Amino acid sequence: ETGVTQTPRHLVMGMTNKKSLKCEQHLGHNAMYWYKQSAKKPLELMFVYSLEERVENNSVPSRFSPECPNSSHLFLHLHTLQPEDSALYLCASSQDRILSNQPQHFGDGTRLSIL
Amino acid sequence: KNQVEQSPQSLIILEGKNCTLQCNYTVSPFSNLRWYKQDTGRGPVSLTIMTFSENTKSNGRYTATLDADTKQSSLHITASQLSDSASYICVVIFYNTDKLIFGTGTRLQVFP
Repeated sequence: ETGVTQTPRHLVMGMTNKKSLKCEQHLGHNAMYWYKQSAKKPLELMFVYSLEERVENNSVPSRFSPECPNSSHLFLHLHTLQPEDSALYLCASSQDRILSNQPQHFGDGTRLSIL
Repeated sequence: KNQVEQSPQSLIILEGKNCTLQCNYTVSPFSNLRWYKQDTGRGPVSLTIMTFSENTKSNGRYTATLDADTKQSSLHITASQLSDSASYICVVIFYNTDKLIFGTGTRLQVFP
């Protein structure tokens, strides 16, 4: 157990659907992250939250909408996705932000398939 | 251009043997370099974090080295086990930011 739980583990949705990915961390960390991992591509950082405030948004399309209601929970709301959005979406947390040199703890991801 | 390149892309070794994975980067300004292990179907797990002033760091049978002058890092696995079969990912962090670049990883397979 990494202390970071993601649900659902698998999700299949049509391009017109709206769904949400959920991440919960039980480590008492202050920073949380969303990553995208596509086949044969490096991980891409999508969003960074520190103390529930978004501090980084790496030019992610608006069809991905993050939400961080408290320091333990992170959501990624999805709507009108494209087939190229099919990927593994990973959530991570760390005691402080990346620049603090603290290790990140990852969940096991949500495997998303867009039909 | 800021890049992180890993080699080899894939590697097959026999159980009990040692191996070394490479990571070359051109990230500047540099803060720290991390190695992660990712088992199939799981999220990455942190192995080591090294700042620019550190040359080596160990975590059990895993030893990472860093040469900040040549911008090269290696991950050495000693006495490999079947459970070492995984992808190993190198990540470089920019100085004083939350920006980072991941390598595409090395896929290691350990056979009995």
